[in-house]
Amino acid sequence: AQKVTQAQTEISVVEKEDVTLDCVYETRDTTYYLFWYKQPPSGELVFLIRRNSFDEQNEISGRYSWNFQKSTSSFNFTITASQVVDSAVYFCALSRNDYKLSFGAGTTVTVRA
Amino acid sequence: DTAVSQTPKYLVTQMGNDKSIKCEQNLGHDTMYWYKQDSKKFLKIMFSYNNKELIINETVPNRFSPKSPDKAHLNLHINSLELGDSAVYFCASSQRHSDGYTFGSGTRLTVV
Repeated sequence: AQKVTQAQTEISVVEKEDVTLDCVYETRDTTYYLFWYKQPPSGELVFLIRRNSFDEQNEISGRYSWNFQKSTSSFNFTITASQVVDSAVYFCALSRNDYKLSFGAGTTVTVRA
Repeated sequence: DTAVSQTPKYLVTQMGNDKSIKCEQNLGHDTMYWYKQDSKKFLKIMFSYNNKELIINETVPNRFSPKSPDKAHLNLHINSLELGDSAVYFCASSQRHSDGYTFGSGTRLTVV
């Protein structure tokens, strides 16, 4: 069975603070794919990043960065210098070769001005 | 041009009614999905079709029936609606599971 755990239910920060969202996953497969999605208050699901199990390089995209560590089965997401527009629910997800995308429970991020 | 479009966006209906949600994708993807998001924001897969063939059918009441007339369309029909069916239903598509999934904007179903 595969499982994605996002232990942080809610995080509240003041604008310009950095925030890190934790994601821990479980799978017995050697080939798998990890994703982060953002769900703003408007409700749509926005794709942020995909990472395959063979690529442990960290990635930075603007104020967003991701840290993938297979040794600890973690795929953490950091927002640097947060802005009010970053307020959303963030989901970590895992897929294998069975077409099922399994989501974590989500972390609600609130950025206060 | 919307990649994955769902209609309607909002659906309010009475218990016991039958309703359908439609989904269309113009990405040329082979695989389409229905996900349900409950009131606690938890997202769970319901069904998946690959080239019109059902490949995933999770533990969902048989009041829910998906239909894929072609690989660009995946509709969801729900019979005898119950209060517990109230949720947001998301349609999604992918070419390969490894490429990521493109989601529609969701259909908020409220059963009263």
